[in-house]
Amino acid sequence: AQTVTQSQPEMSVQEAETVTLSCTYDTSESDYYLFWYKQPPSRQMILVIRQEAYKQQNATENRFSVNFQKAAKSFSLKISDSQLGDAAMYFCAYRRARFTGTASKLTFGTGTRLQVTL
Amino acid sequence: GAVVSQHPSWVICKSGTSVKIECRSLDFQATTMFWYRQFPKQSLMLMATSNEGSKATYEQGVEKDKFLINHASLTLSTLTVTSAHPEDSSFYICSASPWTTNTGELFFGEGSRLTVL
Repeated sequence: AQTVTQSQPEMSVQEAETVTLSCTYDTSESDYYLFWYKQPPSRQMILVIRQEAYKQQNATENRFSVNFQKAAKSFSLKISDSQLGDAAMYFCAYRRARFTGTASKLTFGTGTRLQVTL
Repeated sequence: GAVVSQHPSWVICKSGTSVKIECRSLDFQATTMFWYRQFPKQSLMLMATSNEGSKATYEQGVEKDKFLINHASLTLSTLTVTSAHPEDSSFYICSASPWTTNTGELFFGEGSRLTVL
């Protein structure tokens, strides 16, 4: 079974600074997707960034970038120039590729609560 | 991106009653939808996979008779909490992806907060 581990329950960063959230996962698959989702107090799940396992290039989305280390099964999220609006719960998630039904479910980590201070 | 709508966003009910939560994909068709449950300050736990036109697939430990799932069309899945009790109080979230997509992304509804008195 696939598992996703986030070892940092809480992180804090000052506004305009950079923070990195850690995520490791375990899978025997070679083709899969990895995601970082943000959940603000409204509890709406918002996709931050996605990575396809077959792509070696790390994904970037504006101030958000990932460090994807496939061999190490590591998928960290870097937030640059942190803003107050970045404060939220962040979930790392894994999804098998080319499967349907239950086999294509998203498996989430336990989450990291990010605080952004002035 | 694709839009998933969930209704109601919050509901309060008396113990012993049943509550139905709807999950709709507004601009795409979905053969599969997922129902998650989230307790305060915890992660999302998959309850069941809703399959259009067939029975739902439940995760281990989830009571099928308590959490009835129906996926009658390609755009609608419903979760009915039957004979609700206070321990069923939680945040329920559905998600889906267009069957035509190859991005792997799942889109989430706004969630439904259930409080059972």
